[in-house]
Amino acid sequence: DGGITQSPKYLFRKEGQNVTLSCEQNLNHDAMYWYRQDPGQGLRLIYYSQIVNDFQKGDIAEGYSVSREKKESFPLTVTSAQKNPTAFYLCASSDLTASSRGYTFGSGTRLTVV
Amino acid sequence: GQNIDQPTEMTATEGAIVQINCTYQTSGFNGLFWYQQHAGEAPTFLSYNVLDGLEEKGRFSSFLSRSKGYSYLLLKELQMKDSASYLCAVNSGNTPLVFGKGTRLSVIA
Repeated sequence: DGGITQSPKYLFRKEGQNVTLSCEQNLNHDAMYWYRQDPGQGLRLIYYSQIVNDFQKGDIAEGYSVSREKKESFPLTVTSAQKNPTAFYLCASSDLTASSRGYTFGSGTRLTVV
Repeated sequence: GQNIDQPTEMTATEGAIVQINCTYQTSGFNGLFWYQQHAGEAPTFLSYNVLDGLEEKGRFSSFLSRSKGYSYLLLKELQMKDSASYLCAVNSGNTPLVFGKGTRLSVIA
């Protein structure tokens, strides 16, 4: 069955460390997205990519970086420049030729700074 | 700019009907989605509206009025498992979906 997989489910980071969140999809979707979710804030877009080797900043890209070397993979790095990284991170993908189907989401990664 | 408004919280009784409203102001419009999200889990697709009117799917229905920038999600015969957050999202064109902050629904006995 096709789907989108995020790992790990829980991640703990020490202050000053960079961490990378994994997102892999086997849906053959062109577009992939990273959202951050905080209590009462809804989903806020960090980065998105519509094609391999290209990506765009979202509303809250500062302190984050991404790469899109393969269609299936869109890892997110939370750098030490991100001052308040504790949040729930959601990865999603979509078929740009079938916009009515919306997004398929991964199960999320909960990042905590310790 | 892009703006989507939903009530923050709602409470309803098991077996009842609840309507969750969503108003939007976006630079373009190419469809509106409703997602359900249980705490700590991924959002899951509920409905999609691109034309005015009501779309019914079992206990859930979604309505759209493009002229008013308004949608609602109607949940009938509420069950305890319907306790979740409901997210309204607008496709404003060739850009990522814009999400509202979500409505947290609590179903009580």
